[in-house]
Amino acid sequence: DAKTTQPPSMDCAEGRAANLPCNHSTISGNEYVYWYRQIHSQGPQYIIHGLKNNETNEMASLIITEDRKSSTLILPHATLRDTAVYYCIVRDDKKGGAQKLVFGQGTRLTINP
Amino acid sequence: NAGVTQTPKFQVLKTGQSMTLQCAQDMNHEYMSWYRQDPGMGLRLIHYSVGAGITDQGEVPNGYNVSRSTTEDFPLRLLSAAPSQTSVYFCASRGYGYQETQYFGPGTRLLVL
Repeated sequence: DAKTTQPPSMDCAEGRAANLPCNHSTISGNEYVYWYRQIHSQGPQYIIHGLKNNETNEMASLIITEDRKSSTLILPHATLRDTAVYYCIVRDDKKGGAQKLVFGQGTRLTINP
Repeated sequence: NAGVTQTPKFQVLKTGQSMTLQCAQDMNHEYMSWYRQDPGMGLRLIHYSVGAGITDQGEVPNGYNVSRSTTEDFPLRLLSAAPSQTSVYFCASRGYGYQETQYFGPGTRLLVL
């Protein structure tokens, strides 16, 4: 699976949009981009995933560049409860049983009141 | 559904003791895995299973054993605990299809003295 690079930390004001970048320059055609977050040492929580089209759900939006070498997770109206470590993970879902998630260091997002 | 459950929540062991961390899921997921998370670090995969009777090693398997006798349960055994195994352990499960979400348990905090 391709490696990802994320900034170690970011700050955002409450109520503003939080934009979290992720570089995955070695991504291959079959690999999906997944985002998880971990709040206060709880188990990681799934947020969103995509292949090449932009995706949106009730939690966030995922913007993937046309060359797929980078992506941005957008939390449209950040709240204090969005303070967490956010992980960007690239995975090939067509590898059958080898469906492992490889977690990097992630981005520690702090939402400030 | 209870989702993914883990017991115990917290455990203190002495060096050389053995114990089993329990993990169960009620979502009929084929795929289950164990991760460990050291302070300030991302999650690292210990062992995983793609179905009952089938297990394989992750990136940090040494010192740990697993078995998968049923779809629901995936216990992690420490045969002879070492201080280096002090960590938070997360169990996760997902379905076997493409793009299935991985669900994590609440974690077990293990301290080895």
